[in-house]
Amino acid sequence: AQSVTQLGSHVSVSEGALVLLRCNYSSSVPPYLFWYVQYPNQGLQLLLKYTTGATLVKGINGFEAEFKKSETSFHLTKPSAHMSDAAEYFCAVIPSGSARQLTFGSGTQLTVLP
Amino acid sequence: DTGVSQNPRHKITKRGQNVTFRCDPISEHNRLYWYRQTLGQGPEFLTYFQNEAQLEKSRLLSDRFSAERPKGSFSTLEIQRTEQGDSAMYLCASSPRGSGGAQETQYFGPGTRLLVL
Repeated sequence: AQSVTQLGSHVSVSEGALVLLRCNYSSSVPPYLFWYVQYPNQGLQLLLKYTTGATLVKGINGFEAEFKKSETSFHLTKPSAHMSDAAEYFCAVIPSGSARQLTFGSGTQLTVLP
Repeated sequence: DTGVSQNPRHKITKRGQNVTFRCDPISEHNRLYWYRQTLGQGPEFLTYFQNEAQLEKSRLLSDRFSAERPKGSFSTLEIQRTEQGDSAMYLCASSPRGSGGAQETQYFGPGTRLLVL
């Protein structure tokens, strides 16, 4: 079965610093990969997704992620953190094939310090 | 496009009672999903509809849980004889028809937070 591992349940960065949130998946076949963000008391919002093609994916709010098949990773980055980026971030996969449900990691809470 | 809506947003109930949640997907989205999220965890898949057909159910969906989407539009999730372990956020998502396959984006609602006392 697919699994998703997010290293670091809590990450703190200073405003203006690089954001790096880690995600690794287990699969013998590259799945479809997603990053979602969840603000308090709100649903999940898609930041970006990888399906096929270019392995560096750009998303909303200045975030990007790179699919590395050899490392089975899909880490999320942003060059300069803003206070408004403070939220919980979830990495998710859909196995390639006919399955449609998302399998989520346990999430990383991002704190941005002034 | 008003987004996915869910009602109620919060529900407090006593153990043993039945509860029902409603999800209204984005109009013309033919796929609808239910997930459950407990504190400190990512959402877990419960079930999935394409139009009115329930195509997949997780083993998390015990026989106390039932979901319907009678006309292929809104959906309801009912939990019978609630238990304290059912306390969680219940999330609904929808995705559009199209040829995009599994990579089609799922749009999430704000969720219904259930507390079973």
